[in-house]
Amino acid sequence: DARVTQTPRHKVTEMGQEVTMRCQPILGHNTVFWYRQTMMQGLELLAYFRNRAPLDDSGMPKDRFSAEMPDATLATLKIQPSEPRDSAVYFCASGLVPDGRAGANVLTFGAGSRLTVL
Amino acid sequence: KNEVEQSPQNLTAQEGEFITINCSYSVGISALHWLQQHPGGGIVSLFMLSSGKKKHGRLIATINIQEKHSSLHITASHPRDSAVYICAAQNSGGGADGLTFGKGTHLIIQP
Repeated sequence: DARVTQTPRHKVTEMGQEVTMRCQPILGHNTVFWYRQTMMQGLELLAYFRNRAPLDDSGMPKDRFSAEMPDATLATLKIQPSEPRDSAVYFCASGLVPDGRAGANVLTFGAGSRLTVL
Repeated sequence: KNEVEQSPQNLTAQEGEFITINCSYSVGISALHWLQQHPGGGIVSLFMLSSGKKKHGRLIATINIQEKHSSLHITASHPRDSAVYICAAQNSGGGADGLTFGKGTHLIIQP
């Protein structure tokens, strides 16, 4: 049963520390999304990649957040320095979009990484 | 930017009742997703539809593109259907094809 794997599942850190979250998308999927969920804002798109290239990261605070896909099996989301307002659950999702088409097919979500910044 | 509105925000019903959750969006889309998030936090994709109706078990999703509206129905509801149901609009045209999410509908089915 193919799944999206996210690590860590839980992270508690102090303000100012660097946080790195990792995501292993489903093998063969060519689109990877990072979302953040908070009680106040609900789910928000942070960034997404198609064939490892970043397509949209307009939802991400650029001064402290960065997202990369060093290879097809790994996506990372880094926060440096972290702040208490970054406390949220961060979800990764992957999907397959055939070449030449816009839009993602049904997405598979990871279990999320719950971040608490003290 | 697409505005996605869901109603109701909260819904409590008795086991066996027919449930309807509504979703409206402001800008044309390429597809509409329905997601289910259980108390443990995991998110499961239920449906992706761009026209008409889809059915899976006791779940039915419909979309009216002209009216920019979608509904999720649950027939013969059961306590295990208790979850947050989220609709998400997949933007069409120029640029991002990421999702814009509604705030979710918190459904509780009582035995």
